[in-house]
Amino acid sequence: SQQGEEDPQALSIQEGENATMNCSYKTSINNLQWYRQNSGRGLVHLILIRSNEREKHSGRLRVTLDTSKKSSSLLITASRAADTASYFCATAPSSGTYKYIFGTGTRLKVLA
Amino acid sequence: EPEVTQTPSHQVTQMGQEVILRCVPISNHLYFYWYRQILGQKVEFLVSFYNNEISEKSEIFDDQFSVERPDGSNFTLKIRSTKLEDSAMYFCASSGFGIYGYTFGSGTRLTVV
Repeated sequence: SQQGEEDPQALSIQEGENATMNCSYKTSINNLQWYRQNSGRGLVHLILIRSNEREKHSGRLRVTLDTSKKSSSLLITASRAADTASYFCATAPSSGTYKYIFGTGTRLKVLA
Repeated sequence: EPEVTQTPSHQVTQMGQEVILRCVPISNHLYFYWYRQILGQKVEFLVSFYNNEISEKSEIFDDQFSVERPDGSNFTLKIRSTKLEDSAMYFCASSGFGIYGYTFGSGTRLTVV
């Protein structure tokens, strides 16, 4: 598998339910970010979590990071139709490069 | 909050034509980047630029591509002779030192016809 792979690839839920997306990566990282992208549009930064952090919250978003398992999860609580989008994780490797490596994304559909 | 600005938001060009995508990074940032996202696929790193030279590039960034910081505020990506497969969303990003303050622009959608 590649650096930064999300699962599931697609997720369909009812409005009001929680949505959980997972990201796995291979190399050690400096930080990990989650982005949202509406169809054909730009990247919207959601949250950044550093390698020495385990959990962060921002509004209805909760991100966890487990560096021992090289994985992160994004939880969106009380989802809304407006949350329908693709969600990507992006990892910054801890050494040798300043590029972010993006995952393949999870397409979330929230049904009203 | 400071932003990375990209223009135009959408550009249509004929195959074989040269195209220049423009970016205005955050003013006190030192590192500049271009990424590409083909429709329906993931965002891929193209190139990073620091101290007026390329610091890292991917295998996608071949001789058809070049980057330039022509003045103190702009950062450009040039594609010399566009192909149909260059159709994608191109994202510019900048950062202060290393990866700190890494900020993406809203992208330019390039359509090659």
